[in-house]
Amino acid sequence: GAGVSQTPSNKVTEKGKYVELRCDPISGHTALYWYRQSLGQGPEFLIYFQGTGAADDSGLPNDRFFAVRPEGSVSTLKIQRTERGDSAVYLCASSLTGTRSETQYFGPGTRLLVL
Amino acid sequence: AQSVTQLDSQVPVFEEAPVELRCNYSSSVSVYLFWYVQYPNQGLQLLLKYLSGSTLVKGINGFEAEFNKSQTSFHLRKPSVHISDTAEYFCAVILNQAGTALIFGKGTTLSVSS
Repeated sequence: GAGVSQTPSNKVTEKGKYVELRCDPISGHTALYWYRQSLGQGPEFLIYFQGTGAADDSGLPNDRFFAVRPEGSVSTLKIQRTERGDSAVYLCASSLTGTRSETQYFGPGTRLLVL
Repeated sequence: AQSVTQLDSQVPVFEEAPVELRCNYSSSVSVYLFWYVQYPNQGLQLLLKYLSGSTLVKGINGFEAEFNKSQTSFHLRKPSVHISDTAEYFCAVILNQAGTALIFGKGTTLSVSS
C-alpha cells in the first residue's frame, strides 16, 4: 500500500505569514508524529497523535505551532506568524498503534523556507 | 538529559571496504535503539532496531548493529559497502519509560566512492 505522504513538498513563504503542512499517514495507523529537521541536525520531535487527540505535544517550540488530526487520519501542522528560524524540513511519521517497539514510517517531508 | 551522539559527521570509504558508523547514547532508563537511513530526496527508512534479546541485530541491505549495554553503544556495520549505500544515517532511541517519540542523533554522512 501507499506510504506516508506529505504536501506540499516545498513551501516558500514570507516572515509573518501563516502556513499549513499536510500529512497523510499509512491507512489504518492510529499513531502519527511530527518532527522537524534543521540543516545539519537530526529530526526533533514536535507532537504525537493517538487517534484524534494530541497525546504528547511537549516538542512544540511555542504557541505559534499547532497541529490537528480531526478524523484520526490526515493531520495538519499549522504555523502562525512564521519566522526565519522556522525554516526546516518538517517530517511526518506514522505507526500502527503507537507502541514504543513499533517501526515509525516516515514521509518524504515538507521543506519550508521562510524569507 | 537523554541524548544520542553520532561520533562521526562524515565517513568516506571506498566501494567494497568495510564500514562502521558509531553511535553512543546516554540514558538512565532502558531504551529501544534504531538506525534509519535517508537517501537523497527520500524519507527516512528503518535499517534495523534493537528491542531485546540477542545483542547483534541484522537489518536490511546487509547492515548489522551490536548493542553494548556497558558502553552504551549501538554501532552500525557493513562488511562491504556499495556505491548505493551513499546516504545519511541516523541513530535514534526511544526511552522505555517515557513517551514514544524517537530521539535522533545528528546523523553521519556515508560517502562511498569507486
